[in-house]
Amino acid sequence: NAGVTQTPKFQVLKTGQSMTLQCAQDMNHEYMSWYRQDPGMGLRLIHYSVGAGITDQGEVPNGYNVSRSTTEDFPLRLLSAAPSQTSVYFCASRASGTGGSGNTIYFGEGSWLTVV
Amino acid sequence: AQSVTQLDSQVPVFEEAPVELRCNYSSSVSVYLFWYVQYPNQGLQLLLKYLSGSTLVKGINGFEAEFNKSQTSFHLRKPSVHISDTAEYFCAVWKTSYDKVIFGPGTSLSVIP
Repeated sequence: NAGVTQTPKFQVLKTGQSMTLQCAQDMNHEYMSWYRQDPGMGLRLIHYSVGAGITDQGEVPNGYNVSRSTTEDFPLRLLSAAPSQTSVYFCASRASGTGGSGNTIYFGEGSWLTVV
Repeated sequence: AQSVTQLDSQVPVFEEAPVELRCNYSSSVSVYLFWYVQYPNQGLQLLLKYLSGSTLVKGINGFEAEFNKSQTSFHLRKPSVHISDTAEYFCAVWKTSYDKVIFGPGTSLSVIP
């Protein structure tokens, strides 16, 4: 069981370049989200999705786009990278609801992104 | 707005000494509470969680946490730390009627030999 898979693990971008961070889960989870982690700020929610075709903004959505065409995949797009987007990005998923496995959040291994 | 405060950004402690990592949250409604650990260059691993019932929750690696509703706290404790406990620890709060999980800024635990 692969769980939550993120790619790439490391990436260096030049300012203004675009890229997509991939996230896939094989647990048939409805809820998926993207966080960024910065020193002293913990994890901040960028975007999240409660199911295929449904996305919403989190705390820090500016500069990022998402889509959810399938239950399994939730890619995060940087359209024009900026040095302020240098961070570690985590994808997470969970089942819907709060009972049973719905209260367990599964994280990917992280993607280290540097924008120069 | 819901927030999570971890009062200590860094906690140095000697090996085999006890440790407490503090977490306070702001919410007037029922919540789920979590502690996660992150080892260097790795993802987040769930240590323990409080959903309901007993206010003392035991987790992996000898950690435990106590939910205090009146003080809106969920402090993490371990009676005797090991070198391998050196990591970043995150408290997280999930308001059950709200579909987002909010993380605290993290506490860096350094265990000194």
